[in-house]
This record gives sequence, structure tokens and C-alpha cells, in this order.
Amino acid sequence: GAGVSQSPRYKVAKRGQDVALRCDPISGHVSLFWYQQALGQGPEFLTYFQNEAQLDKSGLPSDRFFAERPEGSVSTLKIQRTQQEDSAVYLCASSLEEGFSYGYTFGSGTRLTVV
Amino acid sequence: AQSVTQLDSHVSVSEGTPVLLRCNYSSSYSPSLFWYVQHPNKGLQLLLKYTSAATLVKGINGFEAEFKKSETSFHLTKPSAHMSDAAEYFCVARGTANQAGTALIFGKGTTLSVSS
Repeated sequence: GAGVSQSPRYKVAKRGQDVALRCDPISGHVSLFWYQQALGQGPEFLTYFQNEAQLDKSGLPSDRFFAERPEGSVSTLKIQRTQQEDSAVYLCASSLEEGFSYGYTFGSGTRLTVV
Repeated sequence: AQSVTQLDSHVSVSEGTPVLLRCNYSSSYSPSLFWYVQHPNKGLQLLLKYTSAATLVKGINGFEAEFKKSETSFHLTKPSAHMSDAAEYFCVARGTANQAGTALIFGKGTTLSVSS
């Protein structure tokens, strides 16, 4: 597609429920990032993929967070046993290469609310 | 560790007046720097980027930013504000390609309000 697509757009989860957030990057983009944006804050890095390889997961806040990109295109961010502090907008970004000069294209995000 | 500081959480201007959004970065090397804009319920949009070429960078919608290494600053400016410029603006940094960190580091954001 023309841009980075994320689904669902909104997700309400009961505390303790597992959720899966999907990111469809721009076709052919090698790099894929996940960010978490809490209300009133700037996005914070969660994890980075180069093709199917997860090269950096240092930003994942706990072992309840898991991300995968098995075929080097679509990525899924999974949160197990959601807690209220997980409520945030989850942003996905992709880039043509592992090269900063190309910049990054962001999706519109998934707004997760844990009740 | 690399960090980005946006000096103002909120800036208010009148339509037609200049805009200045301030950003300082902390780094031991010249980073790549970006400004992104986020309109309500929309994705982050790249305004401009600095990647060690010209220090004065021109972006979309009349915005520009100047990289000043001596001041470790990358302030965003626009000569004349438009109502449609009202949004959240993020100053963003990234290290060089051979650095271990690949993440973008965001400032906390500056909310720009434009009044008529």
C-alpha cells in the first residue's frame, strides 16, 4: 500500500486480556519499528526489525510484550495479560533501508485502552 | 546516552506571525535530526531532516530548521504561522549508522496553538 497501515485503529481490552496489534509496512521496506506513545508524551522505542530479524528489543517494557515479523513484512506486537499502564497509542514505522537518511514513515497507530 | 530536549511544552502564536520551536540535543557526535508533526488522530508526518549535509534544512509547509553544532540546537522556524499549523511537534534524533542504537529518540513534544 501507499502508507504504513495499522489495525485495529482502536482496541479496548479488559485487564488481564491478551491483545495483538498488527502493522503492515510499506511494501519493500526493510526496517520496521514499534513505538509506544503514552498520553501527552513523545513516542518511546519498543523494538526494531531488519527484515525478519529482531535486532533490538531493548525498549520492550516487560516480558509480557512480544513482537514478531516472521516473513519480513507484516509485524505483530502482542501484549499478554494487559495492565492499565499498557494503555497508550502503539505506533509502527517503516524505512526503506537500515539507513537514517531515508527517514521513517509512521502509521496512524493503534490506541489501546485497558479497563 | 543521547537525548532530545524540547524547551517549550506549549507555544502560542497569532496567525501570520513567526513560529519558533526550540530543540536541543545531547550527543558526543553529530546525529541525524528530524522534526515531525502530529495532528490529532493522525500519524506522525516528517517535516524535515538533517543528515550532515547543509546546516539549514528546508522542509514542507514553509518550515525550516538550522543545525548549530556549537549550540547543540536544531530549532524549527516558520516565517508566518497558519491556522493549519496548530499541532504537536516532535524533535527527534538518531545516531549514526554504525552506532548500536537504531531507535529514534523523541523529545516530549511542543504543542503549537495558532489564534486568529
